[in-house]
Amino acid sequence: GNSVTQMEGPVTLSEEAFLTINCTYTATGYPSLFWYVQYPGEGLQLLLKATKADDKGSNKGFEATYRKETTSFHLEKGSVQVSDSAVYFCALKGTGFQKLVFGTGTRLLVSP
Amino acid sequence: DAGVTQSPTHLIKTRGQQVTLRCSPKSGHDTVSWYQQALGQGPQFIFQYYEEEERQRGNFPDRFSGHQFPNYSSELNVNALLLGDSALYLCASSSPELAGGPLGTGELFFGEGSRLTVL
Repeated sequence: GNSVTQMEGPVTLSEEAFLTINCTYTATGYPSLFWYVQYPGEGLQLLLKATKADDKGSNKGFEATYRKETTSFHLEKGSVQVSDSAVYFCALKGTGFQKLVFGTGTRLLVSP
Repeated sequence: DAGVTQSPTHLIKTRGQQVTLRCSPKSGHDTVSWYQQALGQGPQFIFQYYEEEERQRGNFPDRFSGHQFPNYSSELNVNALLLGDSALYLCASSSPELAGGPLGTGELFFGEGSRLTVL
């Protein structure tokens, strides 16, 4: 079945450092891919998405490119801020399915 | 514009009891999904409701049941609680264009969750 694998955390960075959180997936067909973020004490929020191969999703300085050849959707940000500290979840929606399949989440801690 | 609201935010039950969690979707949304998020894990799909019917179900036992009302709000019921049911239960809403079918992008709007502790 469909699955998502993302790097384990926590990822600890200093402010203004470059961020990469790896995400790979297994799916049949052409899934849609997502990054959701969960700030402390809040619900999950959609950060960005890509619905077909080679699409780049971007939001709030974060980017991720849908790479079908490597089945990856890595999250990147050029300069992180303390306010980016949160748990980041990679997810996919399979073709014709209603549900999202999530990875286990990666906690990001950014220090001043 | 209110987002997705869930109640209660926290509750404690004992093994064998039953629990009902409630969700009001974001305005304009008619599809509600429920997810279970165990500590340190990603959310796991329980089921989705649309037009008051269960449209898809994940790998959860029949102890987990749900309902959707004509105003699109939803309830999640869990019977015969087990210690392993302790988790954050998330409700997510969407519109048909976002949620389902081959054209749906799958974008969901989540509530803050109901944290259930089973002792």
